[in-house]
Amino acid sequence: QKEVEQNSGPLSVPEGAIASLNCTYSDRGSQSFFWYRQYSGKSPELIMSIYSNGDKEDGRFTAQLNKASQYVSLLIRDSQPSDSATYLCAVHEFSGGYNKLIFGAGTRLAVHP
Amino acid sequence: SAVISQKPSRDICQRGTSLTIQCQVDSQVTMMFWYRQQPGQSLTLIATANQGSEATYESGFVIDKFPISRPNLTFSTLTVSNMSPEDSSIYLCSVRGTLGYEQYFGPGTRLTVT
Repeated sequence: QKEVEQNSGPLSVPEGAIASLNCTYSDRGSQSFFWYRQYSGKSPELIMSIYSNGDKEDGRFTAQLNKASQYVSLLIRDSQPSDSATYLCAVHEFSGGYNKLIFGAGTRLAVHP
Repeated sequence: SAVISQKPSRDICQRGTSLTIQCQVDSQVTMMFWYRQQPGQSLTLIATANQGSEATYESGFVIDKFPISRPNLTFSTLTVSNMSPEDSSIYLCSVRGTLGYEQYFGPGTRLTVT
């Protein structure tokens, strides 16, 4: 099975700073990438998707994709304490005739006032 | 995105018993998935629930232990059979979105086996 790697953290940033979350993946054929946010005790929530090389911005979130380096990242600008959560990177895989997502272990982000 | 509900939200079960978890979606969806998330861990795909055919199981998961039903395009069940404490986990259903391969998750079922 293909792998998705994330630094488990915790990544600690001060309020107002930029948080940078990184993810690498092993399948060169992957074309679809997703970032999920998971608060403690809650289910994952989709916050960003990216399919093409470059940057994609949505509010305070920017996803960056570099397929040549097999690297996807999530930047959170003006970090708030409410951003404190675990961020999961997911990569689409087509295997055995089925489409599925492979999840990384997640990076725990702590934003302190 | 679709609204997904799961029942029960949590349960405490005795070793050797079985529990059936229900997943209901407010709209028809082609793909439904079942995941397990053990404490402090990421998501592990158990199986893809196919409407009208048997579920497709991932390596390490078998139908006898985790039978799945998908009677229509809005509903699926996952049964955890002959439970042991190692089955204590959060079980999540998800559905594929309409834009691509994104998935949306239900609220989860927290299972504790004693």
